[in-house]
Order: sequence, then structure tokens, then C-alpha cells
Amino acid sequence: DQQVKQNSPSLSVQEGRISILNCDYTNSMFDYFLWYKKYPAEGPTFLISISSIKDKNEDGRFTVFLNKSAKHLSLHIVPSQPGDSAVYFCAASRLSGNTPLVFGKGTRLSVIA
Amino acid sequence: KAGVTQTPRYLIKTRGQQVTLSCSPISGHRSVSWYQQTPGQGLQFLFEYFSETQRNKGNFPGRFSGRQFSNSRSEMNVSTLELGDSALYLCASSLEGTAPDTQYFGPGTRLTVL
Repeated sequence: DQQVKQNSPSLSVQEGRISILNCDYTNSMFDYFLWYKKYPAEGPTFLISISSIKDKNEDGRFTVFLNKSAKHLSLHIVPSQPGDSAVYFCAASRLSGNTPLVFGKGTRLSVIA
Repeated sequence: KAGVTQTPRYLIKTRGQQVTLSCSPISGHRSVSWYQQTPGQGLQFLFEYFSETQRNKGNFPGRFSGRQFSNSRSEMNVSTLELGDSALYLCASSLEGTAPDTQYFGPGTRLTVL
């Protein structure tokens, strides 16, 4: 069973517009969420995180929104740039204990100039 | 600070062989986790080591094993390779291995099983 789901395998956005990547989770015990970005031939790099005590976290062009009641989070990139073209992974964990990260399958974002 | 390094970067093996992959974490990081990435499957957790002890294990067969040394370097071993083991194997290190520690990934080892 997939505890973290990214239902869109790919997304294309024009440069300068907003990119919205979505992620759903099923395990209500998750209270810490992260986004990673992965370029080809490189390992994933950490982008932004949010804990369940917040519903929004912003870092420059990147904002993550968390809707706990819907078990849904989204990553907004504004404005999108060609260098943002990568695969984005959503991941979930728990702040207490030692819980491994559970990743979604990823969404490939293509930003078109 | 040097990042996470993994060796080798690419590996080609045949079915039935075994393979050992190596991961050197960021200096000072005591937790090392291993993941398998296959097309369309995202990153699947293999196991995590902390202070030379396996602390967590994912849902993989016993052919997949690992260990961690006193300097926090880690190795993973896959015995009796199968075609389905072809994947990108990623390791990640963090300070203590507990959220909200950030996990830093290496570039991965691309394993191809023929």
C-alpha cells in the first residue's frame, strides 16, 4: 500500500508561471513532510519541509502548504524557471521516534522557456 | 564540508553474482540510510544504520544486507543478484537519523544486472 502518493507523473509549466506539485498521504501518524528535488545522475537534494503544527512554510520561490484534514500537501514554485526542471519527490515521516522517510513516486516538472 | 560519496557510480553484474556498494557519509553524521530507486517506483527504503547498528529495515528480502563501520561509512551487499535488482541505489546521511534532521543524499550507484 502506498502511504505517500504523487498522482501526477509529470507536469509542464511555462517559464515565469506558477508550478503546483501535489502529494497525498494516508497515514495520519505522519507529522513531518519534505520535498526533495532530483536532477538526472544526481542524488535528491532537500528543498523544503513542514511540520504538522504549521499549514504553510515559505523559502524564497518555494512554498509548501499542508492541509491536515485532507491529508494533502502541495509545493508551489513561483516564478518557475527552466532550472527548476527536475523530478520532485514528496516524503513523510514522524517527528517522534525513528521513522524512515516514506517517499512518493515523484513528479517530473518541465519548465518551458 | 564534503558531501555524501558513493562508490562505484556504475556497476554491471550478471544474475547470480553478488555486489557490494559503499557509502561515505558527511563528516559528523552518524546515520546512514539506503534506498532503492527503480523507474516509476520512487525511493524505497532498504535500511538505516546508526552507530554500527541496524536501526530500521524496509520490506526487502534477506539477499539485501548492510553494515556500518566505526567511522560511520556504510556498505550494502546484494547476494544472488536478480534482473529486478537493476536500480539506482542511493545512500543518505544525517546527524542522528531522526526528524527533523535533514537527510543528504549521495549521487547513487547505478546497478545493472544482466
